[in-house]
Amino acid sequence: EAGVVQSPRYKIIEKKQPVAFWCNPISGHNTLYWYRQNLGQGPELLIRYENEEAVDDSQLPKDRFSAERLKGVDSTLKIQPAELGDSAVYLCASRKTGGVHNEQFFGPGTRLTVL
Amino acid sequence: QQQVKQSPQSLIVQKGGISIINCAYENTAFDYFPWYQQFPGKGPALLIAIRPDVSEKKEGRFTISFNKSAKQFSLHIMDSQPGDSATYFCAASPSGNTPLVFGKGTRLSVIA
Repeated sequence: EAGVVQSPRYKIIEKKQPVAFWCNPISGHNTLYWYRQNLGQGPELLIRYENEEAVDDSQLPKDRFSAERLKGVDSTLKIQPAELGDSAVYLCASRKTGGVHNEQFFGPGTRLTVL
Repeated sequence: QQQVKQSPQSLIVQKGGISIINCAYENTAFDYFPWYQQFPGKGPALLIAIRPDVSEKKEGRFTISFNKSAKQFSLHIMDSQPGDSATYFCAASPSGNTPLVFGKGTRLSVIA
């Protein structure tokens, strides 16, 4: 069974430029999370999807960040315009809805560097 | 407000020794406590998890000890190996599809 797939793995952009990250969750996993991991810190939630519905986006900076999960499978996270402080690893995780425990499986992440 | 406090920030252990990482939480609604292992350039990988209805869970060389009254839990790595060198994160969440709240991580180095 394939794991969570993310692309690109690395992205370097100049500030004020737009950037987008893509995530393909594990097949059959209806819950999808986007986390941001700053250097030397643990991941922090940005947004959670149940199928195609965003059910928890309270931590998403909505002035510059947006996300979508069309058809309830793949998801895209966008930043426009990017700021220096957005440099971080963006992690996608998925979970099988209805599982006994809150087991979340993470992708390898996209490392964003904003210059 | 940090809901999960993890210590130490870094840890150096001799090969064959015991590595111990501690976490404390504040939210009494938490009822799922996983530990994740992360290698450089990789995403966090679930290592072992515990629910509060048991005080200890062991999987191979990895053991979680849980103290509900103290709101603390810890990871013990027995017979630590150089391949265990990684960053370890504790996390916690209420039941259901809720997001995990992570500690700040512990960088473990196992030296020969």
